[in-house]
Parts: sequence; C-alpha cells; structure tokens
Amino acid sequence: GAVVSQHPSRVICKSGTSVKIECRSLDFQATTMFWYRQFPKQSLMLMATSNEGSKATYEQGVEKDKFLINHASLTLSTLTVTSAHPEDSSFYICSVRSSYNEQFFGPGTRLTVL
Amino acid sequence: QKEVEQNSGPLSVPEGAIASLNCTYSDRGSQSFFWYRQYSGKSPELIMFIYSNGDKEDGRFTAQLNKASQYVSLLIRDSQPSDSATYLCPLGPGSSNTGKLIFGQGTTLQVKP
Repeated sequence: GAVVSQHPSRVICKSGTSVKIECRSLDFQATTMFWYRQFPKQSLMLMATSNEGSKATYEQGVEKDKFLINHASLTLSTLTVTSAHPEDSSFYICSVRSSYNEQFFGPGTRLTVL
Repeated sequence: QKEVEQNSGPLSVPEGAIASLNCTYSDRGSQSFFWYRQYSGKSPELIMFIYSNGDKEDGRFTAQLNKASQYVSLLIRDSQPSDSATYLCPLGPGSSNTGKLIFGQGTTLQVKP
C-alpha cells in the first residue's frame, strides 16, 4: 500500500494562530487525498476531499475559509487551520486514495489549541 | 438510518479464540468494503478489502461479504492481545465514485490473555 507521512505529528499553539499540517504521499502519485478529523472516543469525520490542481471539496458543515486545503502536487496536500480555537483541538488525519479505492492513512497530527 | 452500523462493544474474547466482528450497511450501491484496525491514539491501518460475495482469507483474518443481506464481517482466528483495537468497516464508493469512505463508530475488541 501507499506510504503516507504527516508533519508535524503534534502541535500546540495559542488561540488565534494558524497551523499548517502537511500530508505527503511518499511512494504513490495521489490525485486524491482526504482530510479527516477525529475527536476522542469518536469515529473519523471526513472534512474534505483534496484534488490535485483543483479546489478541495468540503463536507457539509466544514468551513472552507477556516480549513484551507492546498493540493499543489501529486505528493503533497496541506491543511491550514486558520485562527485556531480550543474547539479545533483534535486529531487530524490525511489519507491517500489508491487506484482500487483503498485509502492509506498518514500517522495523524494531534493539534492542541490553548 | 446510519449508513454503516457496528456494535461499538467492547467485544471481549480470550486469547486464542475466534473474534467475530460484524457490520451492516444501508447503501445497496456500494461496490467495495474494507476493514481497518485503529489502535488507541493511532491512525487507521488497512487490514483487508473485499469486493465480491463470499469469503476472503488473509492469514488469521477472513472477511465475509453478503450483499443480499447487506452485511460484511471479519473473523480473527487465534486472537492475540495485540489484536486489541477498534475495528472499522467503512463503505467504499458506490455509483457516485467520489472515492469517499463512510465510517461507522467501529467495534472495540479486547483480547484477554
């Protein structure tokens, strides 16, 4: 399967600052990546579909101006949480879609907003 | 009605036993089905995928799909304490082919030594 990395693995920031999370597909050219968020004891919630070279598609209820997604190359997608607040503290996970519709997940980024 | 339903558990089995995990789904258009394992604090990892009715075996794992009854299951033989995790069975894309996976709550499995 595809190998996916995320950076940083953990970030702590102050309320009101912006945080950028990188998702890299290390061995697969990914035209489609996904961004999820997972709160403690809850299931994964899809935030958006990231398409290389085009605008991301956001799920209902996800603010696209707050969660900026850029997928500028076949190996890199970034998620920027703008003006982060404590309620944005969560586990953010990206995934890469393979040719057979399987998704391979990155290790996740744990965001804590103070 | 939720699109994917799983018993959240925890399902507790003794070491060496067979663990049986089940999912029911509502979208008859789904073409692909997956099983992921998620350890606490970690991201999900793919165990198996299955597209056709019947059984598919991989080592200690067997996935079973019954499209007519709209369920998919995972059997884990010779369960080990290291199998203790949450198991997710998302639906794959149906006719829309957006590539999105639809996740349920997952089933927590506890394998006791």
